Amino acid sequence: KNEVEQSPQNLTAQEGEFITINCSYSVGISALHWLQQHPGGGIVSLFMLSSGKKKHGRLIATINIQEKHSSLHITASHPRDSAVYICAVSVGQGNLIFGKGTKLSVKP
Amino acid sequence: DADVTQTPRNRITKTGKRIMLECSQTKGHDRMYWYRQDPGLGLRLIYYSFDVKDINKGEISDGYSVSRQAQAKFSLSLESAIPNQTALYFCATSDARGSEKLFFGSGTQLSVL
Repeated sequence: KNEVEQSPQNLTAQEGEFITINCSYSVGISALHWLQQHPGGGIVSLFMLSSGKKKHGRLIATINIQEKHSSLHITASHPRDSAVYICAVSVGQGNLIFGKGTKLSVKP
Repeated sequence: DADVTQTPRNRITKTGKRIMLECSQTKGHDRMYWYRQDPGLGLRLIYYSFDVKDINKGEISDGYSVSRQAQAKFSLSLESAIPNQTALYFCATSDARGSEKLFFGSGTQLSVL
């Protein structure tokens, strides 16, 4: 069983839709990261959180430590949001465990 | 200029050749990492370094070696490349003194024929 599971694996949405990507983990963590990987391959860190909720523009990330679950929400989705979204958990000493990613495609 | 720079961006080589991938950073971070990404798999850690004198093996270090020449430079070597080392390789940095937020290079696509 993977220690970090993301769902769905693939997601197609229409422009303007509200999007949710989920991440569940089975290990103790110090923090959880949401990353974005664009078709060109580059990876950008979106959020790092250890509790509660963070918001940046149209992106919102939440985490429930007791349930070992995090969600990434995108409001008013746009084609430029099309990317692979990766969840990763920090397990100490600089080590991270990555999910396999969720490929999001937003159609105009 | 990018904060984390990887060279080369793309490389095609033959089985048995020695290859070096280089990473340099201007973030002033102590921690540097090398990951590989394969289709359908999550990023996997090859090696990491918390400072110039500290080198640690990651999940998949076999067939790889690293050198931390300075705080800003961390290179990855494939001593004798094999086809299953064909992958997208990423260098990343983080700051040990506070946030563990990662900063990634643009990646190196390596193909071993």
